[in-house]
Amino acid sequence: EIVLTQSPATLSVSPGESATLSCRASQSVGHDLAWYQQKPGQAPRLIIYGPTTRATGVPARFSGSGSGSGTEFTLTIHSLQSEDFAVYYCQQFNNWPPLTFGGGTKVEMK
Amino acid sequence: EVQLVESGGDLVQPGGSLRLSCAASGFSFTNHWMSWVRQAPGKGLEWVANINQDGSEEHYVDSVKGRFTVSRDNAKNSVYLQMNSLRAEDTAVYYCARDPFGYGTIFDQWGQGTLVTVSS
Repeated sequence: EIVLTQSPATLSVSPGESATLSCRASQSVGHDLAWYQQKPGQAPRLIIYGPTTRATGVPARFSGSGSGSGTEFTLTIHSLQSEDFAVYYCQQFNNWPPLTFGGGTKVEMK
Repeated sequence: EVQLVESGGDLVQPGGSLRLSCAASGFSFTNHWMSWVRQAPGKGLEWVANINQDGSEEHYVDSVKGRFTVSRDNAKNSVYLQMNSLRAEDTAVYYCARDPFGYGTIFDQWGQGTLVTVSS
């Protein structure tokens, strides 16, 4: 099973600043990684997949990247808006079952 | 508009059974893998099971194998999760989710979730 480790667990950011979230895979997942946003009381929302393609309707301030090793991935949120404060999860779909998620990073307002 | 509406969540005793349903609308249901993903209270997301377009292929996380069964009825645009031998650790909000690309791997549409509580 591929384990995804997200860091940091919590990120305190002021509105207008940028946030950089990390996801590390226990083995290479190639480009097969997605990011989701979840707000309290809501279902998750697909943000990024592949790992650089934004899902439909996702603003351009969200960007994803990955290392050549296929084990290190980053979600960057530029110029954070109030609606961006949420928990973000990464998910791998390279080697499954099982499909696995990281433990999440909470982006909170500083 | 794409909609996924789960139902069937309830309070059930350990060892009991429950059947969750997810009614889909607003898209061509038969073109998509469907998954169940759960979230224990205050915890992260865990993929539970998925099923391919015609129901001929199913996959499960190890912790539910032999206890849970995913199925679908394409005539009713619905996917189901039969849960048997329920344990306290199965307590969670259960979401059904759609894969957009036909490979069963990511989730672009989610339901609102249904709460399953396993407790005596």
